[in-house]
Amino acid sequence: QQQVKQSPQSLIVQKGGISIINCAYENTAFDYFPWYQQFPGKGPALLIAIRPDVSEKKEGRFTISFNKSAKQFSLHIMDSQPGDSATYFCAASRGSGNTGKLIFGQGTTLQVKP
Amino acid sequence: NAGVTQTPKFRVLKTGQSMTLLCAQDMNHEYMYWYRQDPGMGLRLIHYSVGEGTTAKGEVPDGYNVSRLKKQNFLLGLESAAPSQTSVYFCASSYGQGKNEQFFGPGTRLTVL
Repeated sequence: QQQVKQSPQSLIVQKGGISIINCAYENTAFDYFPWYQQFPGKGPALLIAIRPDVSEKKEGRFTISFNKSAKQFSLHIMDSQPGDSATYFCAASRGSGNTGKLIFGQGTTLQVKP
Repeated sequence: NAGVTQTPKFRVLKTGQSMTLLCAQDMNHEYMYWYRQDPGMGLRLIHYSVGEGTTAKGEVPDGYNVSRLKKQNFLLGLESAAPSQTSVYFCASSYGQGKNEQFFGPGTRLTVL
């Protein structure tokens, strides 16, 4: 049972454009929503994360938008650069007082064309 | 700090063979995790540990065993490898206790023929 659904599976964006990746979750007990970035041959690394008490979080060119009522969250990459080409995973977990287990989405492969 | 390291980086097994993947972390993290990554399926949790001497099953535990005898090490074992276990395996660790960020190792690419 896939509790976090991610789309699109792949995305091609021109340099300077906006990349948008969407995720939807089912479990209303989730309270921690991170995005991980993975380059080929490497392990994933935390990019940005949000908790449901805010609707948006921005770090540089990366923004998470969170819609609690719709059970959806998205990653926006502004002014996309070729160096952003990677696979992006959304995830969710019940952060408070437990095991920190993450449920990952299926991943989105982003290609930014120069 | 080396962070999270995994050995080996690559391995080819024949069906029925056994092997152990080693994960080590030098960040004094309490929690450790083993994931497998397959195309189009994201990362799926195999087993995890919330402290030395403890282990628990994740989403896809069948065919795998784990041990955490030392806080810094988390071992993943395949007793009788099957082609369905061909995958990239990632180990991760975190502080725990509400500090959720997981730090991942570089992965082990396993092929079972």
